[in-house]
Amino acid sequence: EADIYQTPRYLVIGTGKKITLECSQTMGHDKMYWYQQDPGMELHLIHYSYGVNSTEKGDLSSESTVSRIRTEHFPLTLESARPSHTSQYLCASLGVGTEAFFGQGTRLTVV
Amino acid sequence: SQQGEEDPQALSIQEGENATMNCSYKTSINNLQWYRQNSGRGLVHLILIRSNEREKHSGRLRVTLDTSKKSSSLLITASRAADTASYFCATGFNTNAGKSTFGDGTTLTVKP
Repeated sequence: EADIYQTPRYLVIGTGKKITLECSQTMGHDKMYWYQQDPGMELHLIHYSYGVNSTEKGDLSSESTVSRIRTEHFPLTLESARPSHTSQYLCASLGVGTEAFFGQGTRLTVV
Repeated sequence: SQQGEEDPQALSIQEGENATMNCSYKTSINNLQWYRQNSGRGLVHLILIRSNEREKHSGRLRVTLDTSKKSSSLLITASRAADTASYFCATGFNTNAGKSTFGDGTTLTVKP
């Protein structure tokens, strides 16, 4: 079983609120990823990191920001949530091998 | 459009039948991976095939890769109701760029 955790699993918040989605892994993986996925649709890469103090934007434009101060932690922050941010957010990590491990996801609803 | 595109988008079969899903991609790859996603949850790695391999087996899974056509297929034999899930192909992990691209996914329903 993968040691990568996302919290919260479900979140309903009001428009304009600031939120942080947490992602932690205990495998010592350098590469970590955030994806956005609407129900039944493909995954879109929104941020990734090669390691501590390294962050890059993905293919999908996102109003979120990320930080990587510690290897095991890769939080995603939305400064001002909007209904268009309603989606599922998936975090993944990748070690020396080529298999990515995914968290269970955070399902965000902005009302 | 997406680097990886799966077809069909949805597949419904009876238990015991085989299920075949296809994936096409656009750029050169080092490897291609297939992942499974149960409804509303994270993805789980199924199998990886390297660019110099043509076929790979893992239990009831068989993956083929045709780099000349930039396509791959995933075959699940003797399907079970528990195989009901969405299946995605992915490329780009562990490249120098570090980015990854997932296909649109195929939603498989296996009826008992």
